[in-house]
Amino acid sequence: GDSVTQMEGPVTLSEEAFLTINCTYTATGYPSLFWYVQYPGEGLQLLLKATKADDKGSNKGFEATYRKETTSFHLEKGSVQVSDSAVYFCALRGSQGNLIFGKGTKLSVKP
Amino acid sequence: DSGVTQTPKHLITATGQRVTLRCSPRSGDLSVYWYQQSLDQGLQFLIQYYNGEERAKGNILERFSAQQFPDLHSELNLSSLELGDSALYFCASTPTGSGANVLTFGAGSRLTVL
Repeated sequence: GDSVTQMEGPVTLSEEAFLTINCTYTATGYPSLFWYVQYPGEGLQLLLKATKADDKGSNKGFEATYRKETTSFHLEKGSVQVSDSAVYFCALRGSQGNLIFGKGTKLSVKP
Repeated sequence: DSGVTQTPKHLITATGQRVTLRCSPRSGDLSVYWYQQSLDQGLQFLIQYYNGEERAKGNILERFSAQQFPDLHSELNLSSLELGDSALYFCASTPTGSGANVLTFGAGSRLTVL
């Protein structure tokens, strides 16, 4: 069945460092792909999405490109801030219409 | 505020008990999804309703049930609770049409079973 694998955390970075969180997926066809972010004590918020191959989603300095050749959707940001500390979830839209999530990657950014 | 409202925020109960979690979707959203988030299992899809009808089922236990009412709010009923049911339960909603791809989540209900 459909599944999402993302890099295990936690990831600890200094402010202004470059961030990459790897995400690969297994699915039939070309599902829509998403990154959601969960700040402490809150629900999940959509960070960005891509609906077809080679699409690039971007928001708040974060980017991810839908790569069908490598079935990947890696999240990147050029310069992280302390306020980016959160848990990041990669997800795909399954055949039933629900989202299938990876296990999440906790990011801590130190000043 | 995402517009999806979940109550209660926190709930502590004992094994064997039954609880009901409530979700009000964003205004105009017809679809409601329920997810369970636990440390070991991550985010697991439980069930989806669309305009009052069950649309899709995920890893929902037989002890759990849900429904969506005519006013579109949804309730998740958890019975014969076990320690392992302790988790965060999230509700999410989507509109119809082109926005149906994007789930908007509530802040969750944290259930602790003692």
